[in-house]
Amino acid sequence: DGGITQSPKYLFRKEGQNVTLSCEQNLNHDAMYWYRQDPGQGLRLIYYSQIVNDFQKGDIAEGYSVSREKKESFPLTVTSAQKNPTAFYLCASSISRGSTQETQYFGPGTRLLVL
Amino acid sequence: AQSVTQLGSHVSVSEGALVLLRCNYSSSVPPYLFWYVQYPNQGLQLLLKYTSAATLVKGINGFEAEFKKSETSFHLTKPSAHMSDAAEYFCAVDNQGGKLIFGQGTELSVKP
Repeated sequence: DGGITQSPKYLFRKEGQNVTLSCEQNLNHDAMYWYRQDPGQGLRLIYYSQIVNDFQKGDIAEGYSVSREKKESFPLTVTSAQKNPTAFYLCASSISRGSTQETQYFGPGTRLLVL
Repeated sequence: AQSVTQLGSHVSVSEGALVLLRCNYSSSVPPYLFWYVQYPNQGLQLLLKYTSAATLVKGINGFEAEFKKSETSFHLTKPSAHMSDAAEYFCAVDNQGGKLIFGQGTELSVKP
């Protein structure tokens, strides 16, 4: 079955710690995205990537970093600079970016909690 | 700047009643519009999308939405609510080459 997987389902972060959220897709999509979801605020774009070895900042990139070394994988690191990391993180992919009306497909999400 | 407004953060209906979830957008160019559904602690699933082919768009699970340019609206409807429809619904607009702008979401409750 094709789809997007995210791991872990729940992640706990200690003060000053960097944590990495995994996102893998086997849809052969070029574009991948990371969103942050907070109650009552909808989804906000953190980073996106249109192609391997290239990525762009979204609306709320501060305190986050990404890499795109493989087409299938787009891990997100929440750094210690992100002072309010508690949220639900969603990864998505689409066939391509730069073309309107492309559907974005979402993974099941990772909930990050601070200890 | 493009934006999406969903009127009502919570909507409650009785089972079998009409579901109406409101979405208004602002855009300087013809928009592409989406409705997604999210069940608790899960990702988003596409319900339907408007891409200018037809103003009335039919989606999955009996939902449909009508694009009204004069009202800058894309409201989501379903004639008869089912208990399984209880979820959060997001409207989104895409007119910047693949960037989705999401509304704040509307939580739908269905009473037996």
